[in-house]
Amino acid sequence: GAVVSQHPSWVICKSGTSVKIECRSLDFQATTMFWYRQFPKQSLMLMATSNEGSKATYEQGVEKDKFLINHASLTLSTLTVTSAHPEDSSFYICSASAGTSGRTDTQYFGPGTRLTVL
Amino acid sequence: LAKTTQPISMDSYEGQEVNITCSHNNIATNDYITWYQQFPSQGPRFIIQGYKTKVTNEVASLFIPADRKSSTLSLPRVSLSDTAVYYCLVDNYGQNFVFGPGTRLSVLP
Repeated sequence: GAVVSQHPSWVICKSGTSVKIECRSLDFQATTMFWYRQFPKQSLMLMATSNEGSKATYEQGVEKDKFLINHASLTLSTLTVTSAHPEDSSFYICSASAGTSGRTDTQYFGPGTRLTVL
Repeated sequence: LAKTTQPISMDSYEGQEVNITCSHNNIATNDYITWYQQFPSQGPRFIIQGYKTKVTNEVASLFIPADRKSSTLSLPRVSLSDTAVYYCLVDNYGQNFVFGPGTRLSVLP
C-alpha cells in the first residue's frame, strides 16, 4: 500500500518551453501533496504544499507563477514548470499524505522526475 | 520546526549492525520521528516511524529514549544494497517535513 507514482520519470525540453509533471497516489486518497526539488548531492527542498481543491502554499523563494501546482483531485497533483530554463534542471519529487486527523501522517514519496532543460 | 542533526556519513561492512543517531533537542510534544532511505535518482522510501520507546518492523528498529531528544535507527546485518542516504525527520501531522543533509551510509564488502 501507499504507492505514489510520477510521470514522466524523465524529461528533456528546450529552454522557454513548459513541462508538466504528474503525481498520483495509487491506493489511497491524498488530502495533501508536496513538491520537492533536489539538486545533485544535496538534500530535498520543499517547494510547495497543496491541499485538494485549494491553492498551493509556496515556500519562501519559490516563484508561484513559474511553478504552477494544481491539486484537482484526491489522487492527482500536477506541477507545471513554465518557461523552463537550464537552471530549472533538477530532480523533482512529489509526496502524498493521507492527512488523517488525530495523528501524524507519513508522507509517501514518488520516484521522482528528472528534468533537463537545454 | 524541530531541527535534526545527524552524522554526515558512516561506513560499515556487510553483515554488521549499523546504528544511526539523530538529535532533535527541540522536538515538540506532538512530533513524531520518521526515517527515510534514499537511493540515487529515486524518491525517499519510508523506513520506520515512532513516537517513544522502541518500534520494530521487518527492516529496522527505532529506539527513542524517554526525553525524546534523540533517536537511533538500527539496521541489522546490512548488505551492499543498504548503501544510501538516510534522513531523520520530526514533524507534526506530516505537515512540516524539513530535510536535513541526511547520513550517507556506505556498506563495504
